[in-house]
Amino acid sequence: EAQVTQNPRYLITVTGKKLTVTCSQNMNHEYMSWYRQDPGLGLRQIYYSMNVEVTDKGDVPEGYKVSRKEKRNFPLILESPSPNQTSLYFCASMEAGSYEQYFGPGTRLTVT
Amino acid sequence: AQSVTQLDSQVPVFEEAPVELRCNYSSSVSVYLFWYVQYPNQGLQLLLKYLSGSTLVESINGFEAEFNKSQTSFHLRKPSVHISDTAEYFCAVSPVGAGSYQLTFGKGTKLSVIP
Repeated sequence: EAQVTQNPRYLITVTGKKLTVTCSQNMNHEYMSWYRQDPGLGLRQIYYSMNVEVTDKGDVPEGYKVSRKEKRNFPLILESPSPNQTSLYFCASMEAGSYEQYFGPGTRLTVT
Repeated sequence: AQSVTQLDSQVPVFEEAPVELRCNYSSSVSVYLFWYVQYPNQGLQLLLKYLSGSTLVESINGFEAEFNKSQTSFHLRKPSVHISDTAEYFCAVSPVGAGSYQLTFGKGTKLSVIP
């Protein structure tokens, strides 16, 4: 089954404790992206990747890091999480030229 | 840069009634237009998209949207809604050309279908 998977689905952590949210797709898509969703704000892009070893900042990159060492994986790293990073995070992937992004199920992160 | 305005944050409608979810955008360049749907506790799914050609686009479950360049709008309509259409709907745009994979989303419209 074609899908985007994220782990963990739920995470409660404390301020300053480094964490990684994994994202994996099995569709051989070139493009991958991370978004955060906050009530009343819609989705905002954090980082995106056009291909392996090619990443760039989205609209709200502060406090986040990413890497793209393999085509299928695009982890999101919070090196020192803060309470304002409490949010619902979505990973997405897309085949170049299709203009249809496939979204993962989301990761709900709470930072206390 | 682009921006998207969804004029209604919540839309309640009775089952089998028609519905229109409004979307306006602002951009200095030509854009591609999208509607995504998010069912409760799920990720987003593409509902329909306008890239070029006919300004009226349709989805497989009865929704349609019309691109109106002069009014910079891409409103979503359905003539008769079902309970299963209850979800949050997001309008999004991306620029034609460089950066065309970068989506800018509106804040969403929650559609509640009342039995």
